[in-house]
Amino acid sequence: DQQVKQNSPSLSVQEGRISILNCDYTNSMFDYFLWYKKYPAEGPTFLISISSIKDKNEDGRFTVFLNKSAKHLSLHIVPSQPGDSAVYFCAASGSGNTPLVFGKGTRLSVIA
Amino acid sequence: DGGITQSPKYLFRKEGQNVTLSCEQNLNHDAMYWYRQDPGQGLRLIYYSQIVNDFQKGDIAEGYSVSREKKESFPLTVTSAQKNPTAFYLCASAVGAQSYEQYFGPGTRLTVT
Repeated sequence: DQQVKQNSPSLSVQEGRISILNCDYTNSMFDYFLWYKKYPAEGPTFLISISSIKDKNEDGRFTVFLNKSAKHLSLHIVPSQPGDSAVYFCAASGSGNTPLVFGKGTRLSVIA
Repeated sequence: DGGITQSPKYLFRKEGQNVTLSCEQNLNHDAMYWYRQDPGQGLRLIYYSQIVNDFQKGDIAEGYSVSREKKESFPLTVTSAQKNPTAFYLCASAVGAQSYEQYFGPGTRLTVT
């Protein structure tokens, strides 16, 4: 059973508009969440993270929101740029020495 | 210039042959990980190692083996027992087992025919 779910396989957004990528999780022990960005045939790169003690973290054009009661997080990209076109993975980890659990990813296409 | 290297970028093998994928890091990280990516499947954990000479199975360890004899190196062997070995393989490292942020290598695309 998937513990981290990204229910939208793909998303298309106009350049300059907001991109919202969603992620749901089922394990209430998760206390840290990350977003990774991946281009084809390359390794993922870390984008932004959030601890469960916060509900928002912002870094430039990227903001991650966490709703613990709903077990939901979202990544907002504003404004979206063509270079943001990539696959975005949501990942989560619980306390202790547990590896990250990744979602299946959402492919974002930003159209000029 | 610190980072993680995986070689080669593309690898081709005949069915029934074992093949070893290389992963080296000069970040002085304790923890290292192997993932497999298939279309629509995200990243699935194969094996991980939190310290030298120790490693644990991930979610899909069957048909794979690893070793961690040196801190910098975590090679993955895809054995002939792996039923669907063709995939994109990613190696990652982290400062320590309790460090959430992982740094990924560029990946190796393995094709078995």
